[in-house]
Amino acid sequence: DTAVSQTPKYLVTQMGNDKSIKCEQNLGHDTMYWYKQDSKKFLKIMFSYNNKELIINETVPNRFSPKSPDKAHLNLHINSLELGDSAVYFCASSKRDRAADTQYFGPGTRLTVL
Amino acid sequence: QKEVEQDPGPLSVPEGAIVSLNCTYSNSAFQYFMWYRQYSRKGPELLMYTYSSGNKEDGRFTAQVDKSSKYISLFIRDSQPSDSATYLCAMSGSVGDKLVFGAGTILRVKS
Repeated sequence: DTAVSQTPKYLVTQMGNDKSIKCEQNLGHDTMYWYKQDSKKFLKIMFSYNNKELIINETVPNRFSPKSPDKAHLNLHINSLELGDSAVYFCASSKRDRAADTQYFGPGTRLTVL
Repeated sequence: QKEVEQDPGPLSVPEGAIVSLNCTYSNSAFQYFMWYRQYSRKGPELLMYTYSSGNKEDGRFTAQVDKSSKYISLFIRDSQPSDSATYLCAMSGSVGDKLVFGAGTILRVKS
């Protein structure tokens, strides 16, 4: 009974391609996030959705487009992939008013752009 | 200057040692302080959560916050090889606010 799941776990693709990563949580949380972790382990928030509404949109290229069909799912679509997009992408979820101590992370999607 | 600074290590200690991990920060609005543990090729998991200044203990782990110095610490007593992981500090200004992470410290406990 996985709390936050992501697919795929690994993604290897060519520069210029478009790819999507999916995330699902079964914790009943109302807020979901996408984080990017670079090769130096630095974890940085990209987007946050609360009940399907975008609430955090950090300085991310518009090639990245999140989509939340419902509060249990948050997908990330990336257009025209670049070498610098290679990283591990983590999905997370939390209660909206308890982000500090209820945030659970998924296992990550390791994206490699060749 | 990053909002949260954390020495990336690696920090190598023998089994049974007391480990001290630290972060400094510049934003005085931060009030909530977390430590996450991340095993290799896994997602981060919440280890400790502290509000404002003071200490919090949970088993072999103790989290300390000194807001006057903008400095937080995580102590691990009787360290075990299973504690080998990357430890990330995180903080936020309010309980519902976004988390700002440090770069993480790689810890290796040798048996």
